[in-house]
Amino acid sequence: NAGVTQTPKFRVLKTGQSMTLLCAQDMNHEYMYWYRQDPGMGLRLIHYSVGEGTTAKGEVPDGYNVSRLKKQNFLLGLESAAPSQTSVYFCASSSLDRLKAFFGQGTRLTVV
Amino acid sequence: DQQVKQNSPSLSVQEGRISILNCDYTNSMFDYFLWYKKYPAEGPTFLISISSIKDKNEDGRFTVFLNKSAKHLSLHIVPSQPGDSAVYFCAATYSGTYKYIFGTGTRLKVLA
Repeated sequence: NAGVTQTPKFRVLKTGQSMTLLCAQDMNHEYMYWYRQDPGMGLRLIHYSVGEGTTAKGEVPDGYNVSRLKKQNFLLGLESAAPSQTSVYFCASSSLDRLKAFFGQGTRLTVV
Repeated sequence: DQQVKQNSPSLSVQEGRISILNCDYTNSMFDYFLWYKKYPAEGPTFLISISSIKDKNEDGRFTVFLNKSAKHLSLHIVPSQPGDSAVYFCAATYSGTYKYIFGTGTRLKVLA
């Protein structure tokens, strides 16, 4: 059972490049989330989705876009990467009861 | 505005002793709290949770205490083991929101 899978695990981008991070969950969860983790800042919510076709902004949405075309997938896009977006990105999902969220292994992104 | 605060960035404890990790929150609407453990290069994993209708929840060596009047919760680990060395995140949510708000984390080191 895979749970939450993130692709890729590592990536180095040049400033101004674009990329998409893919998150896939096989638990039939309604809710999905993208967080970023930075030293001393904890986990901060970027965007989230409460169902297929819906997305909403979190605490730090600027510079990111998301899409949830299929229930099991949640994509995070960076249209023009900036060094401030160097971070570790985590995807998570939870069921309707939200008793707990399950996290992926993370994507370490470096923007140079 | 940090709604969930973990004021101790790090904590060292001897093996076999009690570890106490603290978390404070400011939003009185929070009604459900979670603790996550995170090892390096892995995603956070769920540890234990507590609803605001309770003041204590136990699961093996882990106990979470909630003091609603003080807007404070704590995680007790007894006895502490070297394998408990990790970063611990406190998170909170409430009915009517889909979001989990995380604290900045406390790095626990259990010394053998």
